[in-house]
Amino acid sequence: DAGVIQSPRHEVTEMGQEVTLRCKPISGHDYLFWYRQTMMRGLELLIYFNNNVPIDDSGMPEDRFSAKMPNASFSTLKIQPSEPRDSAVYFCASSYVIGNGYTFGSGTRLTVV
Amino acid sequence: GQQLNQSPQSMFIQEGEDVSMNCTSSSIFNTWLWYKQDPGEGPVLLIALYKAGELTSNGRLTAQFGITRKDSFLNISASIPSDVGIYFCAGQLPGGGADGLTFGKGTHLIIQP
Repeated sequence: DAGVIQSPRHEVTEMGQEVTLRCKPISGHDYLFWYRQTMMRGLELLIYFNNNVPIDDSGMPEDRFSAKMPNASFSTLKIQPSEPRDSAVYFCASSYVIGNGYTFGSGTRLTVV
Repeated sequence: GQQLNQSPQSMFIQEGEDVSMNCTSSSIFNTWLWYKQDPGEGPVLLIALYKAGELTSNGRLTAQFGITRKDSFLNISASIPSDVGIYFCAGQLPGGGADGLTFGKGTHLIIQP
């Protein structure tokens, strides 16, 4: 298996622009997670899905963030409009079950200028 | 969310030295996980612990699930250059969903030539 695949690896955008991050989980994994990593706050869970259904989005910072999982092999995290404080590394992870160790993608480094 | 105190924040060691890091919390966890993150990559699971007192090894790595279920440590013996990176602990709260998986802030391991 190719693992969890994220794209793009790097994204630089101007404040106010829409940003879309993409993720392909490992085939057969029922859970998909979006995390954000910053120096100040470490790894934060934004939202997770089970069988393509959003279960908990309490970690999503505000209405500017939205996530979808239209099918078992694809998810997106969208920020509209983007702000400089959104600059971070965004990770997607997937798993068979919760709490047993997730497989992370390589991340998308987002810079909003 | 719950707080995990991971220490030390960073370690500067010589190649060949043994390394020890730990995580503590005021909360009881059902599972302890240890991850390593290389620069520009996502965290990779090293060791998973599921029972209080459990001691598990993975090559030169050894981790233990504390008896009180509130702490865990990771040891690396005879460090080599490829051990450089950030090590994260993560704890899963009893009955918690994905939001019950809390990550420490990480220990930066630096090996001096």
